[in-house]
Amino acid sequence: EIVLTQSPRTLSLSPGDRATLSCRASQSLSSNFLAWYQRRPGLPPRLLIYGISSRATGIPDRFSGSGSGTDFTLTIRRLEPEDFAVYYCQQYGDSPPEVTFGGGTNIEIK
Amino acid sequence: QVQVQESGPGLVKPSQTLSLTCTVSGGSISSGGYYWSWIRQHPGKGLEWIGYIYDSEDIYDSDNTYYNPSLRSRVTISIDRSKNQFSLKLASVTAADTAVYSCARGGSGTYWGWFDPWGQGTQVTVSS
Repeated sequence: EIVLTQSPRTLSLSPGDRATLSCRASQSLSSNFLAWYQRRPGLPPRLLIYGISSRATGIPDRFSGSGSGTDFTLTIRRLEPEDFAVYYCQQYGDSPPEVTFGGGTNIEIK
Repeated sequence: QVQVQESGPGLVKPSQTLSLTCTVSGGSISSGGYYWSWIRQHPGKGLEWIGYIYDSEDIYDSDNTYYNPSLRSRVTISIDRSKNQFSLKLASVTAADTAVYSCARGGSGTYWGWFDPWGQGTQVTVSS
């Protein structure tokens, strides 16, 4: 099973700041099956980024994903008040099917 | 716009079977070749994928489900086309199965692992 480790666990930032979140895989991903989700209190997780760098429908362009191999990054260019939330990375594979999530990064207001 | 919503008992006794239903609205569970998953989150812990199902038109297709190996011996996921629902059954539950259970739609085909949308999640507590 591929283990995803997210860092930092908590990020204390102000609106307008740039956020950089890291997700490291325990082994190289052989495909681009890496996604990022946002979870706001009281709401279900929302798909932000899939395929490492593709934004999901309706996601603002201040969100961007990058990376390859074992190291992946979610960048939020300028934090809006609604961006203070928990973010999870997730990978999946096909042979055999498996899905794992990172432990999450909480972006809190400084 | 497709939405999914979980329902079921919030309290289950140890050794019994946890049963949850996910109702799909805004689209047919049978169209588009989508995969439908269950995911849970233990209190204060990370997300754990339970398994998926897809609706196969081939009545001889018995491989339309896949379960997390850690839960495989206790899990059953099924589809009810007439109600546009899919369900989760987890047998022989213990306190370790206390979690928030969520259903989600995956993509189709190779993209089955992109989950969008998710349900709100439902808390299930295992206790006597």
